[in-house]
Amino acid sequence: LAKTTQPISMDSYEGQEVNITCSHNNIATNDYITWYQQFPSQGPRFIIQGYKTKVTNEVASLFIPADRKSSTLSLPRVSLSDTAVYYCLVGGHTGGFKTIFGAGTRLFVKA
Amino acid sequence: DAGVIQSPRHEVTEMGQEVTLRCKPISGHDYLFWYRQTMMRGLELLIYFNNNVPIDDSGMPEDRFSAKMPNASFSTLKIQPSEPRDSAVYFCASSLIKGETQYFGPGTRLLVL
Repeated sequence: LAKTTQPISMDSYEGQEVNITCSHNNIATNDYITWYQQFPSQGPRFIIQGYKTKVTNEVASLFIPADRKSSTLSLPRVSLSDTAVYYCLVGGHTGGFKTIFGAGTRLFVKA
Repeated sequence: DAGVIQSPRHEVTEMGQEVTLRCKPISGHDYLFWYRQTMMRGLELLIYFNNNVPIDDSGMPEDRFSAKMPNASFSTLKIQPSEPRDSAVYFCASSLIKGETQYFGPGTRLLVL
């Protein structure tokens, strides 16, 4: 199972772009990269998933370099409501399946 | 769809008592997961099912924990006997396809005194 490493915490201000990078040096060929967001007293919520290059949805963008050993979640123009814990996960769609949530990155957005 | 439903939302019990947590996955989802979250250990996968069959229970902490899925719309996680160190938030999640997005329930906050 590919292990992920993320910063423990990050601070930002409203309106700024936030980039959270996740390292996954042992990512396997079949592994996808998925990011979840968790607010206090709630379960994690899916944000975005990708395999390579760039993926964008209405919430965020995910940048994955060619070697796929890292990925960067980009949140454009954050607001106070984006304060949450963000988890990077690496897992496969085939074969054995197990989800490992690391410690996540605690993002605190200030006014 | 109402999403993943868990009950109870909060549970307070005394050490030694049996605790049963319940989960109703999203209709049509073939995978169901049970997680436990604590400040110390973060979010841990306990067990997951595929088409009602337990696939990987290596995360279940010990024999006091058991999980069942009698049908596609219902699963239980039982702790017997409960201990104070079992105090945590227990999440249930479901997904349509292996490796795809997991949808989490609101969780059950368990306190064992």
